Amino acid sequence: KQEVTQIPAALSVPEGENLVLNCSFTDSAIYNLQWFRQDPGKGLTSLLLIQSSQREQTSGRLNASLDKSSGRSTLYIAASQPGDSATYLCAVDSTTSGTYKYIFGTGTRLKVLA
Amino acid sequence: GAVVSQHPSRVICKSGTSVKIECRSLDFQATTMFWYRQFPKQSLMLMATSNEGSKATYEQGVEKDKFLINHASLTLSTLTVTSAHPEDSSFYICSAPTGGRAFFGQGTRLTVV
Repeated sequence: KQEVTQIPAALSVPEGENLVLNCSFTDSAIYNLQWFRQDPGKGLTSLLLIQSSQREQTSGRLNASLDKSSGRSTLYIAASQPGDSATYLCAVDSTTSGTYKYIFGTGTRLKVLA
Repeated sequence: GAVVSQHPSRVICKSGTSVKIECRSLDFQATTMFWYRQFPKQSLMLMATSNEGSKATYEQGVEKDKFLINHASLTLSTLTVTSAHPEDSSFYICSAPTGGRAFFGQGTRLTVV
């Protein structure tokens, strides 16, 4: 059974720092992996999606990498800003053909201090 | 990107009553939609898969008689929490796939008092 873990659970950094959020999954047979942002009491904003055949995706200050064989993904946030404060979730579509059913990690609560 | 709209965003109901949550795909058709639940300080857990024109598929441990799902059209799925109790208070969110990815609604915060 696929399990998704995120480390650290919480992170507090000063503005301007570069930071790395980690996501690990136990079964490497995935279709894709998504990183989401969730603001308190709100829905999900999709940040980056990496297909199983890809190694990384970039959007602005965000870069996500995928190492399927070791069951890991990282989300790199460059030059963090207070507006980046949110919970970051990674989720895997844990099939080889793609069912769009996601297994979510426990999240990393990020606080960027001004 | 595609838009999935969920309504209501917040609802408070009395214990024993039923609550209906709607999930609409606004600019695409979805034969399948998914319902997730998130308890406080926990991650999202898949509850069920909603299939247009047929019965929903529930994940293990989810009571199908308590969480009624109807997917009567290609753009609308509804989740009805029947005879709600305080322990059903949670954040419910739906998703629908198109173009090779899943798009999520804004979520519904249900509080049962």
